[in-house]
Amino acid sequence: DTGVSQNPRHKITKRGQNVTFRCDPISEHNRLYWYRQTLGQGPEFLTYFQNEAQLEKSRLLSDRFSAERPKGSFSTLEIQRTEQGDSAMYLCASSLGTGQVVTGELFFGEGSRLTVL
Amino acid sequence: KNEVEQSPQNLTAQEGEFITINCSYSVGISALHWLQQHPGGGIVSLFMLSSGKKKHGRLIATINIQEKHSSLHITASHPRDSAVYICAPRGSEKLVFGKGTKLTVNP
Repeated sequence: DTGVSQNPRHKITKRGQNVTFRCDPISEHNRLYWYRQTLGQGPEFLTYFQNEAQLEKSRLLSDRFSAERPKGSFSTLEIQRTEQGDSAMYLCASSLGTGQVVTGELFFGEGSRLTVL
Repeated sequence: KNEVEQSPQNLTAQEGEFITINCSYSVGISALHWLQQHPGGGIVSLFMLSSGKKKHGRLIATINIQEKHSSLHITASHPRDSAVYICAPRGSEKLVFGKGTKLTVNP
């Protein structure tokens, strides 16, 4: 399978715990995006990387959230001291882009669903 | 006012009907994506377009950049087309997503 892979697919945790999600993009894609989606809403942008550089972060991404893409391949999204409001689907997507131009389609993973009790 | 407005929010059709979903946006864009999301969360990109019209099988997407409007059409709809369809204009790297149109096609 050469699509975007996310794991875990589901995570149930208690409030206050830390969680980490991983995204493996399509191998040749240099751009990687994280989105959050709550029930009945469209996805909201969190952050994106071009290769290993994190180029933009949403104000939605509080200090408890951190994302990395250390070698320009897979990425991790960590949420520290989780709160019930963090319960959502966390979506990863990848694409190919050059400079300011996205040249390719966006490919999404299946998402990681977080439930904070 | 939301940056992206989709209509209708919910749509129920009979198998075989022609479907139109509309998207209006207020931001300047370089391209617009139409996405399909099935129950369970998986999102599939249907189209990325910056002008004119694109066709893929029974799906057709059009965009009018001057009017800031795009439409997604489904010809000869089928129950397997039942999903949420999301319009996502690309003004910068952060796509702005509409809330989606939930389509149900009954046999």
